[in-house]
Amino acid sequence: QKEVEQNSGPLSVPEGAIASLNCTYSDRGSQSFFWYRQYSGKSPELIMSIYSNGDKEDGRFTAQLNKASQYVSLLIRDSQPSDSATYLCAVNGHGGGGADGLTFGKGTHLIIQP
Amino acid sequence: DAGVIQSPRHEVTEMGQEVTLRCKPISGHNSLFWYRQTMMRGLELLIYFNNNVPIDDSGMPEDRFSAKMPNASFSTLKIQPSEPRDSAVYFCASSLQTVEPGTEAFFGQGTRLTVV
Repeated sequence: QKEVEQNSGPLSVPEGAIASLNCTYSDRGSQSFFWYRQYSGKSPELIMSIYSNGDKEDGRFTAQLNKASQYVSLLIRDSQPSDSATYLCAVNGHGGGGADGLTFGKGTHLIIQP
Repeated sequence: DAGVIQSPRHEVTEMGQEVTLRCKPISGHNSLFWYRQTMMRGLELLIYFNNNVPIDDSGMPEDRFSAKMPNASFSTLKIQPSEPRDSAVYFCASSLQTVEPGTEAFFGQGTRLTVV
């Protein structure tokens, strides 16, 4: 049974600070990792994907992957009130080719305090 | 592109009634996924299709649930008969599968189902 674990929060961070979100997964064969943002009452929206160990940066967002330790993290620099949302970690079990659904964590509720 | 389109956005039905949820994936995408989201269980994968063929339906909770994808631009999720515990938000998502890793799925706006 594939599992993805996240701290549900809420995680409260002052505006302008760095928000750090963490996720662990159980399936060592997992190949692809994603962070989705979900505002209340809305659908999940992809913000970052990462496939290789190390860091991947995109604007204020940095995803970090450590396959040996089976964890993924998301850093949000210069946090803004508009970043307040639930962040969902998602894992895909297989590599290239063929379809495979994502296994999601239950999400971390992030609150950016003005 | 208009994105993944789901209908209806909201559905309220009585226990025992049949419910049909509809999804139009992004044009050109070859994989389609149905998810259910509740507070208790989060986002759960129910079933997914690749090139209109059901690949894995192990997430479908029971025989009351069925899904079809008659062509590349349309899928349905049916619940018959519906029960109050089926109340949830149902999301459809689609993606383009290639030989490269990753299934970057794009979600529809969801259907909020309430069974009374």
